[in-house]
Amino acid sequence: DAGVTQTPRHEVAEKGQTIILKCEPVSGHNDLFWYRQTKIQGLELLSYFRSKSLMEDGGAFKDRFKAEMLNSSFSTLKIQPTEPKDSAVYLCASSFAGSQNTLYFGAGTRLSVL
Amino acid sequence: QQKVQQSPESLTVSEGAMASLNCTFSDGTSNNFRWYRQHSAKGLEVLVSIFSDGEKEEGRFTAHLNRANLHVSLHIREPQPSDSAVYLCAVNTGNYKYVFGAGTRLKVIA
Repeated sequence: DAGVTQTPRHEVAEKGQTIILKCEPVSGHNDLFWYRQTKIQGLELLSYFRSKSLMEDGGAFKDRFKAEMLNSSFSTLKIQPTEPKDSAVYLCASSFAGSQNTLYFGAGTRLSVL
Repeated sequence: QQKVQQSPESLTVSEGAMASLNCTFSDGTSNNFRWYRQHSAKGLEVLVSIFSDGEKEEGRFTAHLNRANLHVSLHIREPQPSDSAVYLCAVNTGNYKYVFGAGTRLKVIA
């Protein structure tokens, strides 16, 4: 079975640009998560979807970050406009619904904003 | 608010020696804990999930949970150089939310 697929693996952007990160969850999973990982803050939840419905949009990340789930097998995370402080690894994860179900993570997209 | 701390920050062990990693949390009401491994430039791989006090073994990985002591540990039996990675503790805080520790960087030397 295919795991969670994220593209691109690396992204370099100029300050002020718009970038779109992509994620394909594990087939059949109901829940999809976007996390940001930095050395200082660790993993921070950006967005959470259940059955394509946005359940959490990440509070402090709302203004420039927008996650969408166009269908059950594809999600995007748009950052607009990018700032240097957005440089981080962005991880997508999916699971079956239910807190006891394991999160399966993609390899991540490493974003560098110059 | 749940706080999760991991120790040590880094650990070096010889191949074949037991590696022990620690995770403390602030709220003992959670009943859902996981250990993940993250190799450089890769995503997180789940190693062990534990939902009640006691021990849970998955191959060479064993988790021990003691909620009264607000502590969950991971023990790696016969570690190999390929186990060199960052190990993250994750504590479920209700429904879909997890709080992750900052990680322990493990290095296994041959």
